[in-house]
Amino acid sequence: KNEVEQSPQNLTAQEGEFITINCSYSVGISALHWLQQHPGGGIVSLFMLSSGKKKHGRLIATINIQEKHSSLHITASHPRDSAVYICAVGLGGADGLTFGKGTHLIIQP
Amino acid sequence: NAGVTQTPKFQVLKTGQSMTLQCAQDMNHNSMYWYRQDPGMGLRLIYYSASEGTTDKGEVPNGYNVSRLNKREFSLRLESAAPSQTSVYFCASSEWLANTGELFFGEGSRLTVL
Repeated sequence: KNEVEQSPQNLTAQEGEFITINCSYSVGISALHWLQQHPGGGIVSLFMLSSGKKKHGRLIATINIQEKHSSLHITASHPRDSAVYICAVGLGGADGLTFGKGTHLIIQP
Repeated sequence: NAGVTQTPKFQVLKTGQSMTLQCAQDMNHNSMYWYRQDPGMGLRLIYYSASEGTTDKGEVPNGYNVSRLNKREFSLRLESAAPSQTSVYFCASSEWLANTGELFFGEGSRLTVL
């Protein structure tokens, strides 16, 4: 079973700061997802990646397959970025994903 | 575009009662999933349906049953609810297998079993 570890568990930062959230996993994967969960519970997919780097607006996700590690970066952070960020990994099979416990991010004005 | 719709959003049950959580997606996705989310734990897979007509157990299937009624709908049934099933339940869908495509989630159903 793939273990997924996220760090930090909690992060409080000031508006405008550059944010990095890390995700490590224990076995080889076919894909890695980054998800965002706002207070109130809705979950939104941010990225799915299997290699390299993806960028969407102020969000950047990278993955290093050899090191079994991914990072989610937020540039010019804003209070509306406050949410729980969840990393999830999938193997090659038909079933769902293994999820990390999430990183609770608070951006203060 | 509604995406993934779950009902009900909130439910309180007594131990031993039964209920069904409904999920429907309008994106013509093949694969659908039911997860539960508990404090301090990551989302855990209860059951999934890789395609219409198939269902399979996930990590925590005990106490649950599912039905893939058609391509759009995937329901989760609790036959005899237990306090350990108090949780937030999420339905999700993807075009084809969670390993190959983006996941779309419903808004969640908060279930309390007394």
